Amino acid sequence: ILNVEQSPQSLHVQEGDSTNFTCSFPSSNFYALHWYRWETAKSPEALFVMTLNGDEKKKGRISATLNTKEGYSYLYIKGSQPEDSATYLCAFMDGGFKTIFGAGTRLFVKA
Amino acid sequence: DTAVSQTPKYLVTQMGNDKSIKCEQNLGHDTMYWYKQDSKKFLKIMFSYNNKELIINETVPNRFSPKSPDKAHLNLHINSLELGDSAVYFCASSQRTSAEIIAKNIQYFGAGTRLSVL
Repeated sequence: ILNVEQSPQSLHVQEGDSTNFTCSFPSSNFYALHWYRWETAKSPEALFVMTLNGDEKKKGRISATLNTKEGYSYLYIKGSQPEDSATYLCAFMDGGFKTIFGAGTRLFVKA
Repeated sequence: DTAVSQTPKYLVTQMGNDKSIKCEQNLGHDTMYWYKQDSKKFLKIMFSYNNKELIINETVPNRFSPKSPDKAHLNLHINSLELGDSAVYFCASSQRTSAEIIAKNIQYFGAGTRLSVL
């Protein structure tokens, strides 16, 4: 059974705080890791696709790193804003191209 | 124009009924998926079709039957609905025609269909 775990389950921060959360995934048969942002009442939208060990991706104040050997990825948000409030999902793709989603980290940013 | 559209958005029905959820994508993608969001909020893959061919079929009761009339559509038919089928069902699509694209395989999601079985 392939498990993708995300922590913490939820996170409350103040506007301006920087924060990070973790995605753990199987370190074998790795093909890609995706991060999605899922706002309430909307559909998940892709943030990053990461395929190589050591990958670092950045989009504005959000960045992500990838360690395929130990099976984890971090998502960082610098200077959180209320509009960053959402659920952040990671999804692991194995060599068979099956995608397994984590349960997500629910971020609440208070103004 | 919505890229991946699901209908209906809400579906309330009685136990034992048969119902269908439709999904259409206008992105020109060749692969479509159905996910079920369970009570713990996990998105769990149910089915995936590539060019109308079933490529992923997870352990799902055979009361669930996907149908892909063409690349742009993947419908989900559910027979003899049970209380435990109540959930939000998400459709998604992606493109996987080459190794490079497969690696990127970003999925585009519909807005979800909230199914309530009474």
